[in-house]
Amino acid sequence: GAGVSQSPRYKVAKRGQDVALRCDPISGHVSLFWYQQALGQGPEFLTYFQNEAQLDKSGLPSDRFFAERPEGSVSTLKIQRTQQEDSAVYLCASSTGTETQYFGPGTRLLVL
Amino acid sequence: DQQVKQNSPSLSVQEGRISILNCDYTNSMFDYFLWYKKYPAEGPTFLISISSIKDKNEDGRFTVFLNKSAKHLSLHIVPSQPGDSAVYFCAASGAGAGSYQLTFGKGTKLSVIP
Repeated sequence: GAGVSQSPRYKVAKRGQDVALRCDPISGHVSLFWYQQALGQGPEFLTYFQNEAQLDKSGLPSDRFFAERPEGSVSTLKIQRTQQEDSAVYLCASSTGTETQYFGPGTRLLVL
Repeated sequence: DQQVKQNSPSLSVQEGRISILNCDYTNSMFDYFLWYKKYPAEGPTFLISISSIKDKNEDGRFTVFLNKSAKHLSLHIVPSQPGDSAVYFCAASGAGAGSYQLTFGKGTKLSVIP
């Protein structure tokens, strides 16, 4: 079956621009996660949804980061007024529960 | 403070031999451990997992061993194949509140030499 998909795969933004990153989870997966992976590091947790409810956003680095999943399926991660330190790969993962998470290919964001 | 540590940034192994990737953790609340494999420009792919109630889990060429008293786990790949060349991430979850969060190590780059 289809895995987790993310778009765009690559995004170049000028500092100060807003960006929106999309995640399509595996059909039927109620749990959805966003992670940020800096170069040479492992992924770091940003936020967690169970269906449409955002149950944890403790990993979001600042109030410029906002995530939503209004219908409990597709999710969007929005970054306002991007800064150079936001450059990273943004990974989305989904799961049926909370154990094994399946990742998408990621969106590589470069802020110039 | 890194709660999951992969102390070897890289490992080279001859094709057909055993690859052993190691991972240490500090948080005793972790109760579920996973290994992911990552190719360049792709997302992490789930490989194998183990619950803290077990000390070994096997899936084909891949075996994960868990030593809870030492807070150590390892991934064995036998026999190693060139297609196994990738970055391997160890991850853990189950630390009380926020138990769904995966905490990752920095990864070990495995190179299998033909």
